[in-house]
Amino acid sequence: AQSVAQPEDQVNVAEGNPLTVKCTYSVSGNPYLFWYVQYPNRGLQFLLKYITGDNLVKGSYGFEAEFNKSQTSFHLKKPSALVSDSALYFCAVSPPRDRGSTLGRLYFGRGTQLTVWP
Amino acid sequence: SAVISQKPSRDICQRGTSLTIQCQVDSQVTMMFWYRQQPGQSLTLIATANQGSEATYESGFVIDKFPISRPNLTFSTLTVSNMSPEDSSIYLCSVRGGTLEAFFGQGTRLTVV
Repeated sequence: AQSVAQPEDQVNVAEGNPLTVKCTYSVSGNPYLFWYVQYPNRGLQFLLKYITGDNLVKGSYGFEAEFNKSQTSFHLKKPSALVSDSALYFCAVSPPRDRGSTLGRLYFGRGTQLTVWP
Repeated sequence: SAVISQKPSRDICQRGTSLTIQCQVDSQVTMMFWYRQQPGQSLTLIATANQGSEATYESGFVIDKFPISRPNLTFSTLTVSNMSPEDSSIYLCSVRGGTLEAFFGQGTRLTVV
């Protein structure tokens, strides 16, 4: 069974400090990994993805994430947090796409509320 | 990328009534996904909608409660039937594109009173 764990319900950091939001997963094969952000009263916005290749991927708004296959982790990071980064962050995975198949659903973690204080 | 227009953005409904949520995509897609996000919780998949066939429902969700239409490759509706306060949630439609990530509508915030 596919599953995603975000062990922290909340992460609090001071503006200007680095931030990390943790994600581990359990998916067969080599999964596709994603991070999404949700601001209040909004849908989910795509931040970044890991499909293959370099383990460090960069995304929108200065965020990056590191894929670690041995630890089955995909932690979201940012070197210097901004107050405007405060939002709900979701890690998501999907199994690898079989040749000729249609892309399927994503499996989401429960979300981590990030608060950056001034 | 895909742009999804979802409406209504929010509604307050009386228990026992039904609400139909619409999603329009700016490109043709094979599958559309309907998720529910209950307060303070993650996204739970309700069903997958394919054009020209019955939707596939996840465990715990049934067609009588959440009927779905998929008349063409750019449009789908989800109806929440015979609503109760437990149905108060955010409902999201989603598609996946050639770049592999998912795109989401802005969500429908439903409150049942």
